Amino acid sequence: DAGVIQSPRHEVTEMGQEVTLRCKPISGHNSLFWYRQTMMRGLELLIYFNNNVPIDDSGMPEDRFSAKMPNASFSTLKIQPSEPRDSAVYFCASSLAPNSRQPQHFGDGTRLSIL
Amino acid sequence: SQQGEEDPQALSIQEGENATMNCSYKTSINNLQWYRQNSGRGLVHLILIRSNEREKHSGRLRVTLDTSKKSSSLLITASRAADTASYFCATDAGLTGGGNKLTFGTGTQLKVEL
Repeated sequence: DAGVIQSPRHEVTEMGQEVTLRCKPISGHNSLFWYRQTMMRGLELLIYFNNNVPIDDSGMPEDRFSAKMPNASFSTLKIQPSEPRDSAVYFCASSLAPNSRQPQHFGDGTRLSIL
Repeated sequence: SQQGEEDPQALSIQEGENATMNCSYKTSINNLQWYRQNSGRGLVHLILIRSNEREKHSGRLRVTLDTSKKSSSLLITASRAADTASYFCATDAGLTGGGNKLTFGTGTQLKVEL
């Protein structure tokens, strides 16, 4: 079975450029989560969707960050303009149903470096 | 402050030994989950324990939960080199109605040496 698929796996770009990270959740999963992981701050929840609707975006650090889920099989996280402090590993995860008893299934992440 | 904090931050043991990791949290929960992360990979769900459960087993894993102390432990028995990874606890929002949002702890880095 295909797991959560993220692209690209690695992205290196210059400060000020727009960055778009992509995620395909597991088919049939109704919840999707975007996380950011750094050594300093650990794993932080940025935003999550239930049934394609954003539920909690309180973790989105600034207006430079935006996320969309146009349909059940695709989501994007966009940073515009990017800054060096955005460098991190960004993970997407999905779960079967919008309750906390469901395990989250993670993709292998996008390692983002902003120069 | 962190909802979940693991202890120790790092643990190094010999293959065949048992590894115990602890997690403390601050607010009430419905469930607590443990995840493993291998280097360069995403997190993988290991086990979930509900707030009305005290102990749960899955293969070589044993999880305990003490809601009065707001703590949980993960025991890996007869460790193998392949168990080398970071381990995270994750808690839900309990009665605050946070839906299926999870807060992850700081993690324990486990190294199992041959």
